Amino acid sequence: GAVVSQHPSRVICKSGTSVKIECRSLDFQATTMFWYRQFPKQSLMLMATSNEGSKATYEQGVEKDKFLINHASLTLSTLTVTSAHPEDSSFYICSFKAGSYNEQFFGPGTRLTVL
Amino acid sequence: AQSVTQLDSQVPVFEEAPVELRCNYSSSVSVYLFWYVQYPNQGLQLLLKYLSGSTLVKGINGFEAEFNKSQTSFHLRKPSVHISDTAEYFCAVSEEANNLFFGTGTRLTVIP
Repeated sequence: GAVVSQHPSRVICKSGTSVKIECRSLDFQATTMFWYRQFPKQSLMLMATSNEGSKATYEQGVEKDKFLINHASLTLSTLTVTSAHPEDSSFYICSFKAGSYNEQFFGPGTRLTVL
Repeated sequence: AQSVTQLDSQVPVFEEAPVELRCNYSSSVSVYLFWYVQYPNQGLQLLLKYLSGSTLVKGINGFEAEFNKSQTSFHLRKPSVHISDTAEYFCAVSEEANNLFFGTGTRLTVIP
């Protein structure tokens, strides 16, 4: 099956710093990928959708200047949380869309803690 | 507009007992339906999916789900649970090529 990796798996940073999270598909290529965030004991909330070579489409309420998405290639996407604050602490999960039925393959997630 | 409802936020069940996790959706068009499992501090793993064809879908780890169009439901079942099934379970729906919409999740706790 499709394998998606995320790096780092866990990061702790000081308030005001920027953090970059990488998401890679290891054995397939995908033109569309998604970034989600998940607060404790809650469901996944879609942050943005990106297509390779195009600008990301952000969901309502998600600041595009704060959460920078770079869909660099068919196998790599990065999410940069700029000037992170404690309220940005969350579990961030990426996924790649594959096939014609919108099946998504999820990364293992990145736990961000902002002090 | 799509929506997914998981009525039970928590389901405790004894080991080797059967379990059903409920999922209802609303949509005006044909949908694809998914169940995902999430273990602590991990991403989502696909359990099973309904795309078309047989309404009874079998997935990994002994789980199955039945698509009921008239009741707009896609309940997840397992005849005998194990301790290792303790996790969060998410139902999700997609209309054709659109995004996935997730339910709020059901925490399954298997009691020894």
